[in-house]
Amino acid sequence: QVQLVESGGGVVQPGKSLRLSCAASGFTFETYSMHWARQAPGKGLEWMAVISYDGTNKHYADSVKGRFTISRDNSNNTVYLQMTSLTTEDTAVYYCARGGLVVVTARGNWFDPWGQGTLVTVSS
Amino acid sequence: DIQLTQSPSFLSASVGDSVTITCRASQGISNYLAWYQQKLGKAPNLLIYDATTLQTGVPSRFSGSGSGTEFTLTISSLQPEDFATYYCQQLNNYPVTFGQGTKLEIK
Repeated sequence: QVQLVESGGGVVQPGKSLRLSCAASGFTFETYSMHWARQAPGKGLEWMAVISYDGTNKHYADSVKGRFTISRDNSNNTVYLQMTSLTTEDTAVYYCARGGLVVVTARGNWFDPWGQGTLVTVSS
Repeated sequence: DIQLTQSPSFLSASVGDSVTITCRASQGISNYLAWYQQKLGKAPNLLIYDATTLQTGVPSRFSGSGSGTEFTLTISSLQPEDFATYYCQQLNNYPVTFGQGTKLEIK
């Protein structure tokens, strides 16, 4: 079955960097867009970034543009989120999610399924 | 950016009731809207996409309607497992945005 497993979360100091990974299985990874989203404690969902199936198109939320970088390795069925200049406002559960099949726009790029999430805590 | 406003933010209902959640977009998004259910401590789960299409495996008591700027999610004959938080999401363009959520609680 389709499965997404995030890793790489933990406690990090403000200003530091962290890289999250999301290992995918059960589907043809290189044909799907992949998203990252997050949820701060007790808050709602916030989309972070998307990468197209072939890695050529990327989009970011304004809140992380210039600080976070999404990438993928289709040979290893993994998508990454490199996070730099972290602040306490970045504390959240980070989820990866599968997007649409061979799409590069937002249309048709709903999130299904989602991984279980990995917690990132930014604290001194 | 497109803003999504859900109403109500909190909803109290009983098993067997029918409930409706509304999602309004700050500009027209055609039918590029999805609905998700999130239970406490779990990842969200896709219920409906393209405003009205039920995702495979989702019970038929869930239904979606609307286009343009106003959308609804209706749950008929509430079951105990339906008490959760529901989010709408627009996929008309980037940045993708979510509504603030509607928490459905047992009365």
